[in-house]
Amino acid sequence: QVQLVESGGGVVQPGRSLRLSCAASGFTFSGYAMHWVRQAPGKGLEWVAGISYDGSNKYYADSVKGRSTISRDNSKNTLYLQMSSLRTEDTAVYYCARGGEDSRSGIDYWGQGTLATVSS
Amino acid sequence: QSVLTQPPSASGTPGQRVTISCSGSSSNIESYYVYWYQQLPGTAPKLLIYKNNQRPSGVPDRFSGSSSGTSASLAISGLRSEDEGDYYCASWDDSLSGWVFGGGTKLTVL
Repeated sequence: QVQLVESGGGVVQPGRSLRLSCAASGFTFSGYAMHWVRQAPGKGLEWVAGISYDGSNKYYADSVKGRSTISRDNSKNTLYLQMSSLRTEDTAVYYCARGGEDSRSGIDYWGQGTLATVSS
Repeated sequence: QSVLTQPPSASGTPGQRVTISCSGSSSNIESYYVYWYQQLPGTAPKLLIYKNNQRPSGVPDRFSGSSSGTSASLAISGLRSEDEGDYYCASWDDSLSGWVFGGGTKLTVL
């Protein structure tokens, strides 16, 4: 069965960096687009970034563009999100999610999420 | 302010039928498929409806979706207490070159 396990969350000071990871299993990782979606405490879902199956195309929400980099290692079945210049408003649970055959195909599976708290 | 607009709340009694709307624009809902997600308290979101009106295996046929023009809707019939939670619509947006979500609708079963 499809499993997505996020890691890398924690408490980080404003202005610092954080790298989130997502270990995928139970499907052919290299055949699917992947996404990061976040949810601030008590708030709704916000798409953060997406990457095509081969890593050739990357998309970002305006709120993180220029501060974040999504990447993947298909040999390790792992998705990453590198975030820098963190702000308090980046505090959220970050979900790793599986897309479809391309980035415009919707999310069908979600991980359990990892909490990133930006605070001094 | 979310690109897709949903009512913040909806409610119904057990057995009733409830609909949740999702309003967008020509750059998202009118041009691309709509997806619906259910998030029960304390859990990760789960896919409920894909490609406007398709149900993944395991999702009861009490849940149905539709889309027309710049709007979409989710209908839940035979409402049950375990349906209480948050519901989100989502679609690709060409203008933003990214995915957009509705603000979410909190469903209460009275």
